Amino acid sequence: GESVGLHLPTLSVQEGDNSIINCAYSNSASDYFIWYKQESGKGPQFIIDIRSNMDKRQGQRVTVLLNKTVKHLSLQIAATQPGDSAVYFCAELPAGGGSNYKLTFGKGTLLTVNP
Amino acid sequence: EPEVTQTPSHQVTQMGQEVILRCVPISNHLYFYWYRQILGQKVEFLVSFYNNEISEKSEIFDDQFSVERPDGSNFTLKIRSTKLEDSAMYFCASSETGFTEAFFGQGTRLTVV
Repeated sequence: GESVGLHLPTLSVQEGDNSIINCAYSNSASDYFIWYKQESGKGPQFIIDIRSNMDKRQGQRVTVLLNKTVKHLSLQIAATQPGDSAVYFCAELPAGGGSNYKLTFGKGTLLTVNP
Repeated sequence: EPEVTQTPSHQVTQMGQEVILRCVPISNHLYFYWYRQILGQKVEFLVSFYNNEISEKSEIFDDQFSVERPDGSNFTLKIRSTKLEDSAMYFCASSETGFTEAFFGQGTRLTVV
């Protein structure tokens, strides 16, 4: 079936290093992708999004790359800080999401930043 | 910064009882959603709501579930007769246009005993 999944369940990095979190998706009809950050006891927090007509988008310290050929999405966090420690989810939305906005989430990657 | 608020933060209920989870979406948003997350698992879509009606619902959202926007600010999820497997974090989300990011609330942890 169609799914969004993450390659690694955990990632541990040193403070100041760059982090790369990967995600594979299988629904070629997906049009919109979002990375969410979830800290313990909190709801998913939007980090950055990208539409399928783009292959790269940059935010503050974060970059999302989309490779539609291999259906792969990645989140790069520059100069990772302890406050970045959280579970990161990728999510996809099929084309024409609109009022349905039926996001499909991956299972999540736990990022741990060591001081 | 505007945010989605949910109450209560934690609800414990006996199996078979009815529960109502409450949400106040961001005030200018028109699209509302409920998601749930069973411990250690993915966040799963339950239902979307727009223009006072359900837009789409998942297979999880069976006849035991209902949603309502009783007034101009609240959005509720009712589970009529709770089961043990309904234990999860329930997240409310809202979106301004449906094509832009959805903002999530902090969640309500529902424990069915």
